[in-house]
This record gives sequence, structure tokens and C-alpha cells, in this order.
Amino acid sequence: TQLLEQSPQFLSIQEGENLTVYCNSSSVFSSLQWYRQEPGEGPVLLVTVVTGGEVKKLKRLTFQFGDARKDSSLHITAAQPGDTGLYLCAGLTGANNLFFGTGTRLTVIP
Amino acid sequence: GAGVSQSPSNKVTEKGKDVELRCDPISGHTALYWYRQSLGQGLEFLIYFQGNSAPDKSGLPSDRFSAERTGGSVSTLTIQRTQQEDSAVYLCASSLWVYTEAFFGQGTRLTVV
Repeated sequence: TQLLEQSPQFLSIQEGENLTVYCNSSSVFSSLQWYRQEPGEGPVLLVTVVTGGEVKKLKRLTFQFGDARKDSSLHITAAQPGDTGLYLCAGLTGANNLFFGTGTRLTVIP
Repeated sequence: GAGVSQSPSNKVTEKGKDVELRCDPISGHTALYWYRQSLGQGLEFLIYFQGNSAPDKSGLPSDRFSAERTGGSVSTLTIQRTQQEDSAVYLCASSLWVYTEAFFGQGTRLTVV
């Protein structure tokens, strides 16, 4: 089983602040995905990064895949209450299996 | 259907009973995954089906857990002799092929009393 550690596990910030969530592993992944999950729902894909060093921007969210394809980060600028949720990274292995990280629960306070 | 469908949405069972959880993936999706999620935690991988290949069962926590996928479509996860530690939300996801998005069902919340 591939282990992806996310940090921090919990994050509570004020509206308008910036934050970064980290996803780290000792394993190399062919691609890495970020999902967001709301209570009572399944995770929903935010982005997929494939190339080492790749940076993708989705409005106020910036995703980066590490050069060695072992780690990733999610940066949110000017967080809003609607960003509240559980953020999960997921690494795709060479065998096409998808392993999820430990999760980061974000709360944005209005 | 338009999305991944799981049933039942909630299941309460007595310790020692067997349970079956069902997943209907999106039509045409070749990959199907089962995960387990404890309250507010990340997703624990259980089993992965890809087309007609042998499933990756490396995540199943004990021999009480088994899963099958019939005709490359519907999947059933069976837990025999349930224990209280089996209580969790069981999520199923399917994807079209590699590098593509995994679409999740809403999960089955299993409570073992």
C-alpha cells in the first residue's frame, strides 16, 4: 500500500487568508490528483497533475507536482467559506491503482 | 445511470452478521475501486478492478472481506462475520481509464452494533 501523508491534518483560518496543504510520499506516482469532499458526499476531482514540476491554477487554487513526482502542494489564495471541506490528494501508481492521502480538513471562518 | 450508484445508503447490522454492499459504476468505465473511510479521515484502499485483469486485493484488511465484479460492471463488496471495527463509510468509484477522473458514489454508511 502506498502511503501519502497530508499536512496539516486540520486547518482553521479566517476568510481572506492564504493557506498551503502538503501531500508527501516516498513513492513515485505517474500522476497525482486532488479531490475535495463535502459531508455526506463522495470526493470530487479538482485537478490532475502529470508532469514533474507541473503547476496548475484553478481560479484561487494553485496545484504543484514535485519534480520527483513524490509530493504535491495545494495553495489557496484569499480563502472563502465555500472552500471549507476535506481535501484529499491521490496518487496513481504504475499499476493504475489510485491511493489516497490522509486528508486535510479545512474550515474557513467568515 | 448518470453517476456511480451505491446501495444501500445506510446499513445497520448486528455483530457477526454478513453484509453485502453494491456498486453500479458509470457505464463503460473499466476501472472500479472500493475504499473505506472512517469519520473525517482519508480513504483506505480496499480493492481495485481493471477490465478483465485480476483484481488488486492488496488492501482488503482480512479474509472476511471479499469483492467481485460481474460482467465488468456491477460490483459487490461482502463482509462476513462483521465486527464493530468494520463500521465506516464504504465508497465506490469508477474511472474510464488511466489519468482520468475517478467518480465516486455517495457511499454506504455501515454501522455494526
